[in-house]
Amino acid sequence: SQQGEEDPQALSIQEGENATMNCSYKTSINNLQWYRQNSGRGLVHLILIRSNEREKHSGRLRVTLDTSKKSSSLLITASRAADTASYFCATVGQGAQKLVFGQGTRLTINP
Amino acid sequence: ETGVTQSPTHLIKTRGQQVTLRCSSQSGHNTVSWYQQALGQGPQFIFQYYREEENGRGNFPPRFSGLQFPNYSSELNVNALELDDSALYLCASSLELAGVEQFFGPGTRLTVL
Repeated sequence: SQQGEEDPQALSIQEGENATMNCSYKTSINNLQWYRQNSGRGLVHLILIRSNEREKHSGRLRVTLDTSKKSSSLLITASRAADTASYFCATVGQGAQKLVFGQGTRLTINP
Repeated sequence: ETGVTQSPTHLIKTRGQQVTLRCSSQSGHNTVSWYQQALGQGPQFIFQYYREEENGRGNFPPRFSGLQFPNYSSELNVNALELDDSALYLCASSLELAGVEQFFGPGTRLTVL
């Protein structure tokens, strides 16, 4: 079973716009990670945010974490066609080692 | 591209058969995890191997089994294949067990007819 939900399930925007994806989870976590997957292939790690962190940046990516609301968001600024992919959040529970994934957001960037 | 490789890329089997999928972990990584991803879903954790021992298992029946070798490569075996086993099988390697970033291979697409 999935840990939580991602919202929206699908998002279509114009190149150059910003894309925001949200993730909610159910149990306390050690960290939360975001991954990208192109066309049903392997996942690529984007960013990891620990439970004691509130915000993290990596290039055009900005991730926030609100542990009181058990939610996270991923912002991609100045989107490019190459950002078209599915994006998954995954949580690591306290004392656990496995990733528990959401169902993902399918992002389409239109040129 | 990560340094994790998987073979084969695609596989077609019939119900009741057995299958073995293989994974070579990234250099220096001693932990391998396996995930099953059904079409349109997020990956689901099958099990994890650390230094050749199983270290955690998800909600999968015993007909899903695995091995890790001294060089930290790994196999996933599935017996008595069912139609619902059709999925993308992903292998991920990581350094130690600390719930850190995992490096995924490209996956093996299994179709059960």
